[in-house]
Amino acid sequence: NAGVTQTPKFRVLKTGQSMTLLCAQDMNHEYMYWYRQDPGMGLRLIHYSVGEGTTAKGEVPDGYNVSRLKKQNFLLGLESAAPSQTSVYFCASSQDSADEKLFFGSGTQLSVL
Amino acid sequence: LAKTTQPISMDSYEGQEVNITCSHNNIATNDYITWYQQFPSQGPRFIIQGYKTKVTNEVASLFIPADRKSSTLSLPRVSLSDTAVYYCLVGSAYNTDKLIFGTGTRLQVFP
Repeated sequence: NAGVTQTPKFRVLKTGQSMTLLCAQDMNHEYMYWYRQDPGMGLRLIHYSVGEGTTAKGEVPDGYNVSRLKKQNFLLGLESAAPSQTSVYFCASSQDSADEKLFFGSGTQLSVL
Repeated sequence: LAKTTQPISMDSYEGQEVNITCSHNNIATNDYITWYQQFPSQGPRFIIQGYKTKVTNEVASLFIPADRKSSTLSLPRVSLSDTAVYYCLVGSAYNTDKLIFGTGTRLQVFP
């Protein structure tokens, strides 16, 4: 049981390049989330999804796009990377319940030069 | 904005009990209180969750007073491996507040 898997684990981009981060969960969870964490800071919610085919904006959505074409996958895209997007990105998932708990992946370290 | 307020940091020594208090004055009737632990270079990990009174598991205890405007995470006899950031979240299935982490409490355990 892998839980939440993020790929890649590390990536270096040049300003203006694009890339997609993949999050996959094998727990049949309805909800999935993307967070970013900057050094010494807490996690900030970028986008989330409450089910297949749905997405919603979080606290810091600008510069990112997401898609949830399959229930088990949640993709985070950067169309034109900027140095301000250098961060650690975490994906999480949760079941659809009143006391849902978040299960996190191990993160993707992204550097934009 | 996070609905919770926690101390930025705390220090302790091995073997001591650590209590981290979280204030959530505007907690709603349907809200649960959930604590997560995060080690460096890892994603947060669920520790404990409660609605009222006291909850205990193999890792920690969570104390919630009757008015539910605060909660206290209690870590018994901490070890060096408990050095981490601890986050208190408040929310329910009816809002996205439960997804807001804030800056957490950085616990440093010394030998």
